[in-house]
Amino acid sequence: EVQLLESGGGLVQPGGSLRVSCTTSGFTFRMYAMSWVRQAPGKGLEWVSGISVSGTNTYYADSVKGRFTISRDNSRNILYLQMDSLRAEDTAVYYCAKWEDGSKNYFDYWGQGTLVTVSS
Amino acid sequence: EIVLTQSPGTLSLSPGERATLSCRASQSVNSSSLAWYQQKPGQAPRLLMYGASSRATGIPDRFSGSGSGTDFTLTISRLEPEDFAVYYCQQYSGSPPIFTFGPGTKVDIK
Repeated sequence: EVQLLESGGGLVQPGGSLRVSCTTSGFTFRMYAMSWVRQAPGKGLEWVSGISVSGTNTYYADSVKGRFTISRDNSRNILYLQMDSLRAEDTAVYYCAKWEDGSKNYFDYWGQGTLVTVSS
Repeated sequence: EIVLTQSPGTLSLSPGERATLSCRASQSVNSSSLAWYQQKPGQAPRLLMYGASSRATGIPDRFSGSGSGTDFTLTISRLEPEDFAVYYCQQYSGSPPIFTFGPGTKVDIK
């Protein structure tokens, strides 16, 4: 059974940093691209970032480019999102998602999310 | 950047009725990169459809997807109580990779 479990969310002040993690199991992590998707309270879904299988290629939404860094540890089956220079508008539930890439691109498995609150 | 618009914003229906949800793109989308998700309160999104018309694993056949170009549709043939939720469409553009979600359609009980 595929499982994705996010951790590391919490309350952080504007301008601060936070790293969230996604521990995975039930599939061969090193063979799949991965992504982060966020959802502000009461709002819709917003893609944040994606990473290739090896970690060589990383992709970001314009809203987080230059502030967030996605990475992965294929030896430990963990996905990370380092978030710096956080703003109030970054407040959201952050989901990690398994990215089925190739000819069709979609997210077939999602974690339950971790809440990041940016507030003073 | 491609913008997705979903209509209606809210659809109020009774169990057993047919639901038709629309997703319109600001420019033509490769239908192979159009997906639909269902999200219930307090839960993560769940993949329903990919490639515009292929059902994901375990999704009942009352769900179907269609469309091409700029207009896509998710149809639920007969609403079950567990189908009342928010539905999002998503498209993918490459070079560089970007995913875009629509704002969602809430299907609630009439």
